[in-house]
Amino acid sequence: AQSVTQLGSHVSVSEGALVLLRCNYSSSVPPYLFWYVQYPNQGLQLLLKYTTGATLVKGINGFEAEFKKSETSFHLTKPSAHMSDAAEYFCAVSLSGGSNYKLTFGKGTLLTVNP
Amino acid sequence: NAGVMQNPRHLVRRRGQEARLRCSPMKGHSHVYWYRQLPEEGLKFMVYLQKENIIDESGMPKERFSAEFPKEGPSILRIQQVVRGDSAAYFCASSPGSGGTYEQYFGPGTRLTVT
Repeated sequence: AQSVTQLGSHVSVSEGALVLLRCNYSSSVPPYLFWYVQYPNQGLQLLLKYTTGATLVKGINGFEAEFKKSETSFHLTKPSAHMSDAAEYFCAVSLSGGSNYKLTFGKGTLLTVNP
Repeated sequence: NAGVMQNPRHLVRRRGQEARLRCSPMKGHSHVYWYRQLPEEGLKFMVYLQKENIIDESGMPKERFSAEFPKEGPSILRIQQVVRGDSAAYFCASSPGSGGTYEQYFGPGTRLTVT
């Protein structure tokens, strides 16, 4: 079984400041890890994913995340926040191998960007 | 290239009525997942289907809920005799068949309100 914990249900930053959204996971097998973004009343859009290979993953809109196996973490960062980054962010995990790719999500972190 | 389509986008039902939610996956995708998002919570997996087969329904409530993905046409999530607790956003996601990139593409969701 797998689970995801997102520390901080609400993060507030100033425009231009560093964005750091935390995600820790537990998984019985090597995980696949994802970050999704959700704007109000919309579906989820994939920001980035880690499956295998390089542990530092770059995604869209300037976001990146680093898979740290020893810390069971996959934190999302962006050097400089924009107003348009205000949204809810979800970390998710699925199990590698097999053929069932169902995602287990964290509860989400609402990012507010202040001018 | 059309994305995942869901309809209706908003659905209002009175207690005891039936709700039918439709999902058309992306072209070429044969795997469909349904997730439910309750207020203040992340997304929870409900069911995973391939054409004409239910692969994993471990997240489906035991009663009143059913899902199908026929050979032709959209996937349907059916909720019989709805109750107020069924009010939520229901998201469908699709992915390529085996050998794909493990990425799920989400639709815009159906927001069900039970009055």
